[in-house]
This record gives sequence, C-alpha cells and structure tokens, in this order.
Amino acid sequence: AQKVTQAQTEISVVEKEDVTLDCVYETRDTTYYLFWYKQPPSGELVFLIRRNSFDEQNEISGRYSWNFQKSTSSFNFTITASQVVDSAVYFCALSGFTGRRALTFGSGTRLQVQP
Amino acid sequence: GAGVSQTPSNKVTEKGKYVELRCDPISGHTALYWYRQSLGQGPEFLIYFQGTGAADDSGLPNDRFFAVRPEGSVSTLKIQRTERGDSAVYLCASSIKSRGLNGDTQYFGPGTRLTVL
Repeated sequence: AQKVTQAQTEISVVEKEDVTLDCVYETRDTTYYLFWYKQPPSGELVFLIRRNSFDEQNEISGRYSWNFQKSTSSFNFTITASQVVDSAVYFCALSGFTGRRALTFGSGTRLQVQP
Repeated sequence: GAGVSQTPSNKVTEKGKYVELRCDPISGHTALYWYRQSLGQGPEFLIYFQGTGAADDSGLPNDRFFAVRPEGSVSTLKIQRTERGDSAVYLCASSIKSRGLNGDTQYFGPGTRLTVL
C-alpha cells in the first residue's frame, strides 16, 4: 500500500520569507516516482516536479528547491523569497515505477503568502 | 489547445439521474486517468487506461461508476443513479509512457465540478 503524509495543513508567511513544505511517504515499491503539484485558487493542478526514487540529487529551479531523502522517506519542497502568487494548495504525490501507475496524493498544504 | 480538456466544466444534476463527463487528453498521450477530489482533500484515483483498455479500475467506488475509452483517445466517465455523495470535482489526467524527461508524468485538466442535488 502507498501512503503520502503532508502534516502541515496550512502555512501562512509574509512575502519574502522562505517556507518549507513537508512530505513523508510510504511504499513497498523499490522504484517509484515522487511529484509535487500546485493547485492555485483557479483549481487546476499544475505539475511542478517529478523525482525518480533512484535519483537522490536535490533540485533547484529558480526560487523552488526540493530535498529528497530516501533514508527518511521524505521529499520536502522549499520556496525561497515567497511571493503572493505562490499562494495555493500544494500536493505531494507518489506513483509506482513499473507497478501501480495511479498517483497517491497527500492531503495537501495550503500556503498563504501575505503581502 | 495543447492541454487536457474536460467538459462540461460544471454539471448540476438531481439525485438518481445519469451523468457523463468527458475528457480529451493531450495528443499522443496513451495513458489516461480519472480522479475525484472532494473539498479540502487530495485527488483520489478512480481508473486508469492504457490505450483503449482499463489497466486499473481499482479506485471505482461501486458499480454505478463506469468509464470507457473506445478509440484510445477521448474518455467518458459515466455515473448512474447519482447520489449526493458523488458531488465532487472529477479530474482527468494524461501521460505518455516514456523513460525520458517527464515521461510518466500526469498532466491534469481543469476538472468537472459535479453537484448532485
């Protein structure tokens, strides 16, 4: 069985603060994918990043960075110098690499960035 | 358009009625997924197609729910005898089976908001 836990239900920060969204996962698969999606108030899920379980390199894309640690089953997401446009619900998700293709989502973290 | 499209964007129906929700995936994407998202929750998987066949329908809640993809492109999610508990946003996603950059990544449509009165 697969499970994704996002313990932070809601986070509120002031613009320009850094913020980290936590994601912890459980899976019996030896190879798998991890994802982050953003869901702004408009409602559409926007893909941010995909990580393969065999690639533990951290990744940076502009103000976004991701820290994947297989030893602790965590895939955390950091936004540096947050902006009001970052306000959204962020979902972490997991899928199998060869087996179960469906995404298992966490319950999401609502991020509010105040001006 | 280049993205996943879903119609209608909103559907209001009465309890007991039949509804169909349509999904048009990204051109060339062989895999298609349906999810359901209730308010304040993450999306929950319903069914997955690879080509024309349902490769995994383990998420369908009961036999009132059915989906087809007859030509391997457009898919229709069908709900019979709708209940108030079926009210949710129904999301469709598609992906291409590939080990390349972002292969197997699911791209989502805008969803259909279903309200059962």
